[in-house]
Amino acid sequence: GIQVEQSPPDLILQEGANSTLRCNFSDSVNNLQWFHQNPWGQLINLFYIPSGTKQNGRLSATTVATERYSLLYISSSQTTDSGVYFCAVATGNQFYFGTGTSLTVIP
Amino acid sequence: DAGVTQSPTHLIKTRGQQVTLRCSPKSGHDTVSWYQQALGQGPQFIFQYYEEEERQRGNFPDRFSGHQFPNYSSELNVNALLLGDSALYLCASSFPGGYNEQFFGPGTRLTVL
Repeated sequence: GIQVEQSPPDLILQEGANSTLRCNFSDSVNNLQWFHQNPWGQLINLFYIPSGTKQNGRLSATTVATERYSLLYISSSQTTDSGVYFCAVATGNQFYFGTGTSLTVIP
Repeated sequence: DAGVTQSPTHLIKTRGQQVTLRCSPKSGHDTVSWYQQALGQGPQFIFQYYEEEERQRGNFPDRFSGHQFPNYSSELNVNALLLGDSALYLCASSFPGGYNEQFFGPGTRLTVL
């Protein structure tokens, strides 16, 4: 199966700081999604981005499919951004998740 | 627009028992996938159902089985529970095809004692 690596594994930020999370994957994919998992376990869709660049408020994402990586940018971070961020890719009908980046935003 | 729903929220079982988890997909979706998420790990794909058939399966033993009903809802069954089956079980729904966006339910937290 496809290997998905996320970095950094842990990140601690002061409120208001910016950050970049990275997702590398080992093979061609037909889907890539970024999720935020809240403390109760709910996976919240952030971006569906198999290629290109998208923005949603303070968050944006870029996927360079030919180079097999995706980046998630968080600007002006808030304490509510804390949680685990997952990248997931699909080939065929199967999704593969990375091990996540645990983000803590301190006031 | 109803999102993906799962029941029950929490479940406690003992080793050797059997469990059934349930999932209703987002309105308009006909494909359901199940995932197991152990503590501190990313979700692992168990299998996907479409048109009431198991379309793809991850690396899980036959103790894990499923079913999809004509209304697209789905069940995950786990037999002969092991301590290692303790995890958060997530259901996702989508339109057919892995290239389509998946939406997840809130999960069922299973504890095996």
